[in-house]
Amino acid sequence: KNEVEQSPQNLTAQEGEFITINCSYSVGISALHWLQQHPGGGIVSLFMLSSGKKKHGRLIATINIQEKHSSLHITASHPRDSAVYICAVCLPFSGTYKYIFGTGTRLKVLA
Amino acid sequence: DGGITQSPKYLFRKEGQNVTLSCEQNLNHDAMYWYRQDPGQGLRLIYYSQIVNDFQKGDIAEGYSVSREKKESFPLTVTSAQKNPTAFYLCASQTGQGFRTEAFFGQGTRLTVV
Repeated sequence: KNEVEQSPQNLTAQEGEFITINCSYSVGISALHWLQQHPGGGIVSLFMLSSGKKKHGRLIATINIQEKHSSLHITASHPRDSAVYICAVCLPFSGTYKYIFGTGTRLKVLA
Repeated sequence: DGGITQSPKYLFRKEGQNVTLSCEQNLNHDAMYWYRQDPGQGLRLIYYSQIVNDFQKGDIAEGYSVSREKKESFPLTVTSAQKNPTAFYLCASQTGQGFRTEAFFGQGTRLTVV
């Protein structure tokens, strides 16, 4: 079993729909990141969370440390939101920190 | 604008050849990382460097080598010893203490062995 599990793996939505992507992890973490990877491959960091909730525009990220679970929500989805969304957890490693990445959720928003 | 630049975007290599992937950042970040991405798998850490002239192996370092002679640069060499080098390679950087800071990623290099 992977230490970081994302669901769903693939998601197709109609423009305007509310979207939720889930991330569950099984290790103790220092922080959790949500990343966005566009078709060209480049990755952009969306959020870094260690507790609670963060909002940026139409994106909302929440984390429940006790339940080891995080969600990424997209309100009023748009075709330009089509991308792969990756959850990554940060944990202590050999005096520094390392990341463990989920396999990603491929989102397609149809016009 | 500050950021991370990876080059080239696409790279083809013949079997048995070494090839070097470039990663440059002008963000003044201390820590730099190389990840490999394969279809259906999460990114996996190849090597990382927290300061100049120092680097550490990640989870899948076999068949790879790196150097960190300058703060801005962290090139990755894929050697002929790497059994399955065809993959997408991503470079990232952060300020020194990773978990409290945002990670910045390059655009990636897709390496294909022919």
